[in-house]
Amino acid sequence: DIQMTQSPSSLSASVGDTVTITCRASQGISNFLAWFQQKPGKAPKSLIYAASSLQSGVPSRFSGSGSGTDFTLSISSLQPEDFATYYCQQYNNYPFTFGPGTKVDIK
Amino acid sequence: EVQLVDSGGGLVKPGRSLRLSCTTSGFTFGDYAMSWFRQAPGKGLEWVGYLRTKSYGGTTQYAASVKGRFTISRDDSKSIAYLEMNSLKTEDTAVYYCTRDLFGSGGLVITDWGQGTLVTVSS
Repeated sequence: DIQMTQSPSSLSASVGDTVTITCRASQGISNFLAWFQQKPGKAPKSLIYAASSLQSGVPSRFSGSGSGTDFTLSISSLQPEDFATYYCQQYNNYPFTFGPGTKVDIK
Repeated sequence: EVQLVDSGGGLVKPGRSLRLSCTTSGFTFGDYAMSWFRQAPGKGLEWVGYLRTKSYGGTTQYAASVKGRFTISRDDSKSIAYLEMNSLKTEDTAVYYCTRDLFGSGGLVITDWGQGTLVTVSS
């Protein structure tokens, strides 16, 4: 199975900050990488697919990049509604696997 | 508006069965693959399996942890996806989510999630 790691596991930031989350795959996955946002007690929300393509309706302050094994999710001008846990997921190989999550909370 | 409503969860004893439903509206159900994911209490997300559209053969893929015990099916006439869970184990306790997916040359892209339904396996 492909192992996904994320760093940091948590971070504290202020409204207006830019934050970057890193996701690494244990082997190359081309650009078959998605990012999800989850708030406590809620279902995940799809943010990005194919490493850098925004899902419909996702604000442009979210951006993704990377290919192969190393990927990043950036959130510019952090808004109050962005405080949540973020997961990366590879869908290049079965089983599809997720990173452990990065919790973004308010400083 | 795209809607996915997960239902059917509850408390069940180990070894028993349960069927979850994902009732959808707002899109042409037959054009989309459907997946199930789960999240154990306080844990991360885990892929359970998915079902392709009939145009892609209606075939399925499952995680090793559920293969042979869980079955995903769909009723395109009712716009409902199902997750049949047999021989349930305590480690299957989780919130289960269905998703609407696009499947093609770009792989399986999750576009929307249901709200989740909690399955608790306990004696």
